[in-house]
Amino acid sequence: KAGVTQTPRYLIKTRGQQVTLSCSPISGHRSVSWYQQTPGQGLQFLFEYFSETQRNKGNFPGRFSGRQFSNSRSEMNVSTLELGDSALYLCASSLGDGQGKTEAFFGQGTRLTVV
Amino acid sequence: AQKITQTQPGMFVQEKEAVTLDCTYDTSDPSYGLFWYKQPSSGEMIFLIYQGSYDQQNATEGRYSLNFQKARKSANLVISASQLGDSAMYFCAMRAPNFGNEKLTFGTGTRLTIIP
Repeated sequence: KAGVTQTPRYLIKTRGQQVTLSCSPISGHRSVSWYQQTPGQGLQFLFEYFSETQRNKGNFPGRFSGRQFSNSRSEMNVSTLELGDSALYLCASSLGDGQGKTEAFFGQGTRLTVV
Repeated sequence: AQKITQTQPGMFVQEKEAVTLDCTYDTSDPSYGLFWYKQPSSGEMIFLIYQGSYDQQNATEGRYSLNFQKARKSANLVISASQLGDSAMYFCAMRAPNFGNEKLTFGTGTRLTIIP
């Protein structure tokens, strides 16, 4: 079965612009989580969506937002980009049923560079 | 709050040798799950192995095994007979298995390099 698909793979944006990243989860998975990975801060949780509702949110400013569609596909948006937003953004797909053993499957990420 | 500590920033291991990657954790939740992920240079996080806090036996998945010592709060990953393709970043992660919480808390990772 198809894995988690993130598009685009690479992005270069200018400071002040906004950007939208997309994630298509594994078929049947209802939970999509987003993570930011940087050399300095490591992997940090942004937010999680389940059945079109944001269920959990990390400690990021309001410039970072997201949404989930009825087919479980998710988008995240970053407005007013800053140089520090340059990172690898990873999307994780899981069943979201609360069973601890259920692993999260990750996409290959979107590498965002802000110049 | 949950915290994962990986104290080995980098390791070099000879091909075919076994390697142990350290992971300690801290949580006040009585129930939790521990995961190990591999991240090659391509960026994708690949699931390796899972250990539940109430599991009586250490988890094993092929060449991967998890040395789980609950009292010491450690969950070390053991890779037997290492291969060149094992060169990657390895992350230990934790999740509290409550409905409504899919958040994974990650450690800082260990960069493993296998030497031919």
